[in-house]
Amino acid sequence: SQTIHQWPATLVQPVGSPLSLECTVEGTSNPNLYWYRQAAGRGLQLLFYSVGIGQISSEVPQNLSASRPQDRQFILSSKKLLLSDSGFYLCAWTGSHYGYTFGSGTRLTVV
Amino acid sequence: AQSVTQLGSHVSVSEGALVLLRCNYSSSVPPYLFWYVQYPNQGLQLLLKYTSAATLVKGINDFEAEFKKSETSFHLTKPSAHMSDAAEYFCAVSSSGGYNKLIFGAGTRLAVHP
Repeated sequence: SQTIHQWPATLVQPVGSPLSLECTVEGTSNPNLYWYRQAAGRGLQLLFYSVGIGQISSEVPQNLSASRPQDRQFILSSKKLLLSDSGFYLCAWTGSHYGYTFGSGTRLTVV
Repeated sequence: AQSVTQLGSHVSVSEGALVLLRCNYSSSVPPYLFWYVQYPNQGLQLLLKYTSAATLVKGINDFEAEFKKSETSFHLTKPSAHMSDAAEYFCAVSSSGGYNKLIFGAGTRLAVHP
């Protein structure tokens, strides 16, 4: 069966520090991968998606970047965090089924 | 372009009462529609999905939704609310079978009172 792992679960980082969030999928190949952000009291905003290794599409210009170094690995990064980067980050994948499967999320607080 | 509007950011019901969460969509192509539930500090769990088969879709935990093309709606219902249904619910639309981008509504927070 397919599983999706996302870590860390929580993270507190100072303003100006770098960020790296990792997401991996098991039990499938060539998934479409997505990063969403959920700000407090708001819906989900699609940040990046990837349909293959090295292929990244950005939905919203911002302080973040994404990379897909391996087929089932998706990384969200920042060189210098801003206060506005705080939120709940969710990784998701789609395969041959309908709908997305989400990871358990990372709660990022920038202080 | 596709979009989703969820009417009511907060809905409160009594335990045992009907749950109705409203969702309207906009899509220039036949849509695929989804309802997800999110419990605090957790990821999203799929409740049900409409993929152009039966218009009345049954999901987990006795939830169901009806696709009404004429009304561009996909409202979520449950006959009898349980305390454990308290969570945030998201309606989402995609233009193809899950491979394309999933566009979410702003969410509806459901409170269930004893």
